[in-house]
Amino acid sequence: GAVVSQHPSRVICKSGTSVKIECRSLDFQATTMFWYRQFPKKSLMLMATSNEGSKATYEQGVEKDKFLINHASLTLSTLTVTSAHPEDSSFYICSARSGTGARQPQHFGDGTRLSIL
Amino acid sequence: AQKITQTQPGMFVQEKEAVTLDCTYDTSDPSYGLFWYKQPSSGEMIFLIYQGSYDQQNATEGRYSLNFQKARKSANLVISASQLGDSAMYFCAMREAGYSSASKIIFGSGTRLSIRP
Repeated sequence: GAVVSQHPSRVICKSGTSVKIECRSLDFQATTMFWYRQFPKKSLMLMATSNEGSKATYEQGVEKDKFLINHASLTLSTLTVTSAHPEDSSFYICSARSGTGARQPQHFGDGTRLSIL
Repeated sequence: AQKITQTQPGMFVQEKEAVTLDCTYDTSDPSYGLFWYKQPSSGEMIFLIYQGSYDQQNATEGRYSLNFQKARKSANLVISASQLGDSAMYFCAMREAGYSSASKIIFGSGTRLSIRP
């Protein structure tokens, strides 16, 4: 079945560092990918919709300059957390859809646990 | 705007019993899809079942079934013969405008299900 690979699975870094998270669709082309953030014991909050070849669409309240999204190809989207601070620590999950039909499920990566010291 | 409500933050169920997880939704779009995902403690999102707004029959996938009551805007997940491995967080989700590649999935707050041996 369709698989979405997310890398790295865990990152621990110092405050002020920029961190890049990759999301790849392994066996299908994804014109649209989605980035979610999840706080402990909370739901997934959509951050942005990533469109191949164009600018990402950010949800209200999400800082575009803090969370840079690049969708370079039909199989790769990246999320860069710039100048990360402890409040950026969270679980980040990407998702991709293999088609436009209503029944197409959204496949999720395994998530990246980001810890900023 | 679309909205998903899960009113059960946590549930405890005896192994082998059936369990119903509640989900209500609100949308003005006549075309939408409803999803249930399972998230174990490891973090990955596992797709369980899908129901389209125009589907005449309730969706079923193995031990999972979706009790879809369109007039009441509810989409409860029923797990028959629960197993210890069913212990996890369960999220109800909805996507409007199902035929658009940019349509996004929005999640409810989740229900933590714990199965007692």
